[in-house]
Amino acid sequence: ETGVTQSPTHLIKTRGQQVTLRCSSQSGHNTVSWYQQALGQGPQFIFQYYREEENGRGNFPPRFSGLQFPNYSSELNVNALELDDSALYLCASSPSGRRNNEQFFGPGTRLTVL
Amino acid sequence: AQSVTQLDSQVPVFEEAPVELRCNYSSSVSVYLFWYVQYPNQGLQLLLKYLSGSTLVKGINGFEAEFNKSQTSFHLRKPSVHISDTAEYFCAVTLANAGGTSYGKLTFGQGTILTVHP
Repeated sequence: ETGVTQSPTHLIKTRGQQVTLRCSSQSGHNTVSWYQQALGQGPQFIFQYYREEENGRGNFPPRFSGLQFPNYSSELNVNALELDDSALYLCASSPSGRRNNEQFFGPGTRLTVL
Repeated sequence: AQSVTQLDSQVPVFEEAPVELRCNYSSSVSVYLFWYVQYPNQGLQLLLKYLSGSTLVKGINGFEAEFNKSQTSFHLRKPSVHISDTAEYFCAVTLANAGGTSYGKLTFGQGTILTVHP
């Protein structure tokens, strides 16, 4: 069974640029959640996708957007990057949008904004 | 809205000693509770979870946690730690409605860095 995978592992961007991060769910999972983990902090919920629709959103501005594809893989897009967007971005998948009491995390993408 | 407070940012301990990592939560409704571990440069791995039933929950790697509803706590314990337990530990909550389903948004604490010395 393949776990959650994320790409790329590391990424360096400059302020104002746009970035796309990718996540492949664990087999059989139809729900994907994205989290931002700043250095020295706990992860913060960005949003969740269930069957290709947004299923909840945290306190992040609209320049953070996402997509979920028919195969349940997902993308996180961030426009107009700011220095404070530097963080580890974690993707987590779970078996169902309504009964998902456990989320399985990927290794993360480390984004550095200069 | 729910919140999580991990009372210790760093816990140093010697190998084979017992350890307790403290977690308190705040919520006006029922929650599910989790402990995750994060090794350097890795994602999060689930240690254990409390959904319902017995308040003492056993997890992987010899860890256990006890849910205390009156004190709104979910402390993590291990009777004898190893060098390999050195990592950062996160307590997290998610909403659980009356039907036993959850919205799925995890709210995390700030983390506790456990350092095991030889």
